[in-house]
This record gives sequence, C-alpha cells and structure tokens, in this order.
Amino acid sequence: GAVVSQHPSRVICKSGTSVKIECRSLDFQATTMFWYRQFPKKSLMLMATSNEGSKATYEQGVEKDKFLINHASLTLSTLTVTSAHPEDSSFYICSAETYYGYTFGSGTRLTVV
Amino acid sequence: KQEVTQIPAALSVPEGENLVLNCSFTDSAIYNLQWFRQDPGKGLTSLLLIQSSQREQTSGRLNASLDKSSGRSTLYIAASQPGDSATYLCAVADYGGSQGNLIFGKGTKLSVKP
Repeated sequence: GAVVSQHPSRVICKSGTSVKIECRSLDFQATTMFWYRQFPKKSLMLMATSNEGSKATYEQGVEKDKFLINHASLTLSTLTVTSAHPEDSSFYICSAETYYGYTFGSGTRLTVV
Repeated sequence: KQEVTQIPAALSVPEGENLVLNCSFTDSAIYNLQWFRQDPGKGLTSLLLIQSSQREQTSGRLNASLDKSSGRSTLYIAASQPGDSATYLCAVADYGGSQGNLIFGKGTKLSVKP
C-alpha cells in the first residue's frame, strides 16, 4: 500500500518550454505532497510543500513563478517547470507522508537542452 | 540548522560480509529518521523508519539503530549480496518545520562484489 505514482520518469525538453510532472497517490489520500530536487552529487533538497486546496509553500531560494505547484485534489499534485533552462536539469521527486513513513514517487529526470 | 553526515562515502565489500553504514546528525530534536536505498536512475526506496521514541528497527537482513543523544544512526546489513549494491541515504525529519522537511545525507555508495 501507500504508493505514489510519478510521471514522466524521464523528459527532455528544449530551453524555454514548460514541463509538467505529475504525482498521484494511488491507494491513499495525500493531504500534503512534498517536492524535492536532487542535483548530481548533492543531497536531495526540499523545494516546496503542497497542500490540497491551498497555495504551496516554497523553500527559500526556490522561485514560485518558475516552479508552479498545483494540488487540486487529495490524490494529485503537479509540478510545472516553466520556461525551463539547462540549469533546471535535475532529478525531481515527490513524496507524501503515510502511516508507514514517507513514500516517494519514482522520480523524474529532467534534461533541458 | 540540522546537518546530516554519512560515512563512508563509498564502500566495497565481498559478498557475504556483514557491514555497517553510519549516519550522524547535529540536532538531536528529530521527529524520525529514515534509511533509503537509491539505485542508479531510480527513485528512492524506503528501507526502515525509526521514530524518535524508538531505538531500532529490523527488516530482513537490515537493522537500523538510533541513538538520539549522540546524534547517530547505523544501518547494519547482514550477509551482503551483490543485489545490495546501491547508494544508501539516511534522512532525518525535524520537529520544527514541516514534517516533510527531510534532511538527507549525501549517501554511502555500496558495492558488493561476487
């Protein structure tokens, strides 16, 4: 139980375009979804916390207009990287807290060319 | 500010050996500590979760301990197998901020040679 499905797993996009990443909780309701980013050889860092039906809370240094988060239902949260640039190339992963601990999506490898 | 350190950064052992991975954190006021496994190109897989009131958790060949007072956790892997080769990450959840604010170490890359 407690599965988070994240799509796409890999995406390559051109600089200037936008990319949407989806995270769905398949067998539970995720009131809160957390979005992380991991650059090569760096620790996973929290980007933002999304709460169903309200605005996301962004960590310091994360541009909210660039990384749009929508959590319109208890089972779906999306992260849209707008006007992506090569420096946005990274591994993005979502997670939700369950009774058993934090469960993570499988991650999205974004490459901006 | 909470900092998590994992030692060693990399470890190579022959198959069958028992091994210990170390994780230390600077602020003992944690909500819980979790060990993850990350395979290349894959997302994180949660291995063990230790609540702040617990001292250890076991799952199969894995045993994780937690000593909050000293700011340490260890992940013990018994009878290692080549399939255990991966990067192991520990992360602590703070009380202060959002419970989702997991602070990760940089991981230990484990290689188990047949």
